[in-house]
Amino acid sequence: DVKVTQSSRYLVKRTGEKVFLECVQDMDHENMFWYRQDPGLGLRLIYFSYDVKMKEKGDIPEGYSVSREKKERFSLILESASTNQTSMYLCASSLKFGYTFGSGTRLTVV
Amino acid sequence: GENVEQHPSTLSVQEGDSAVIKCTYSDSASNYFPWYKQELGKRPQLIIDIRSNVGEKKDQRIAVTLNKTAKHFSLHITETQPEDSAVYFCAARYTGNQFYFGTGTSLTVIP
Repeated sequence: DVKVTQSSRYLVKRTGEKVFLECVQDMDHENMFWYRQDPGLGLRLIYFSYDVKMKEKGDIPEGYSVSREKKERFSLILESASTNQTSMYLCASSLKFGYTFGSGTRLTVV
Repeated sequence: GENVEQHPSTLSVQEGDSAVIKCTYSDSASNYFPWYKQELGKRPQLIIDIRSNVGEKKDQRIAVTLNKTAKHFSLHITETQPEDSAVYFCAARYTGNQFYFGTGTSLTVIP
C-alpha cells in the first residue's frame, strides 16, 4: 500500500523557534506538496516540488521554506514560528492523478 | 485568482437519504476533478474522480457529475449510512499537478 508518512502527529513549539516538519513517501512520486488546513479555509498550498532540489511557492509561502534533497523526502521549515502558524499541516505526493496524503501534523505555536 | 467554491459547508441527512455536494471552478482549463473524504482525525482520501472528457462517473453508492460548460461538478451519495459522515473536499486541477481545493462540506448522517 502506498504511504506518505509525516514524522510527527502533534507538535507544540514556542514563538520564534525554527520548526521542521518532515514528510517521506515510498511511491517514487516526483510531485510533493505541503498544505495547511484551517477550519473554513479548506486546504491551502504552501509549497510544492516537482523534482529533487526543485521548489515552487504556493498560495501562502510567507513564513515558510522547504527542502527537497532526496526524491522521497520533502521538508517544510518554519524559520521563526508564530502563533498564526498554528494549524494542521498535510503533506501529499502524486504521480499523475490525485494525491496521497499523509496523516497530518497538528502544530501548536505558543 | 483561480478558485473552487463548495456548497454547502454543512449537510445533515437521515440515514438512507441522498446527499449532494456542489462545487464550481473558475479555470476553464481544469481537466481533472477529484473528491476526497476526510474522517475525523484522519487523512483525506480520494474516493472518486472525474476527467473532463466524461460527464458522469459512478462507483457503487457514490457518483460525480461534471458540467464543463457551467464549470461545476457535484458529488452524489445515495442510501447514506452513518459511516459516510465525514468532511468532503472537492478539487480542480489547474496547472501541472496542482489543485485548488474547496473549503469542505461536513456531512452528518443521522441514524
